[in-house]
Amino acid sequence: DVKVTQSSRYLVKRTGEKVFLECVQDMDHENMFWYRQDPGLGLRLIYFSYDVKMKEKGDIPEGYSVSREKKERFSLILESASTNQTSMYLCASSPLPTGEQYFGPGTRLTVT
Amino acid sequence: GESVGLHLPTLSVQEGDNSIINCAYSNSASDYFIWYKQESGKGPQFIIDIRSNMDKRQGQRVTVLLNKTVKHLSLQIAATQPGDSAVYFCAENEEYSGGGADGLTFGKGTHLIIQP
Repeated sequence: DVKVTQSSRYLVKRTGEKVFLECVQDMDHENMFWYRQDPGLGLRLIYFSYDVKMKEKGDIPEGYSVSREKKERFSLILESASTNQTSMYLCASSPLPTGEQYFGPGTRLTVT
Repeated sequence: GESVGLHLPTLSVQEGDNSIINCAYSNSASDYFIWYKQESGKGPQFIIDIRSNMDKRQGQRVTVLLNKTVKHLSLQIAATQPGDSAVYFCAENEEYSGGGADGLTFGKGTHLIIQP
């Protein structure tokens, strides 16, 4: 059974803090993705990675960075958290460059 | 990227009735479409997908219809059950967009409410 896990379900951080969101998949997928989900806006792509140490910007990369040191792990980093980064963050992986993606349960981040 | 959108933010149906959720897309180059279901507190789960060389695909109690002429996608759920209550998202990408990975472009979602 496919599995994507995220390190935290809920996270509360203060403005200016550095925040790490971790995602792990056990399906040996090449491709991994980070989205944020906001009411009325749906899911928006932040960054994705198609191989270890490779990364590509999505539609809204500003304020974020990513790290892919191992195939199974894709980290999203907020260098200096701001209140407008309060959101639900969803990680996904896929075996092919395009097509179906498998999602984790999400991390609800609140920045105060 | 170009937008993918849904016509209605909320759809309320009686238990046992059929549901139809609609989606419009604007990228004429899109050739892969997918429907996800997201229950409260969970990540999106795959329901069904369809490629642009098809106009209809059926799964268990679900059917996806694709009309490329008007760039319209719909999800039909037969005999809706309480467990079908969720937010439904359509998403698309270009399957042959140049070789690299690509994120899905999601619609904003429709909240399906099943009334007893």
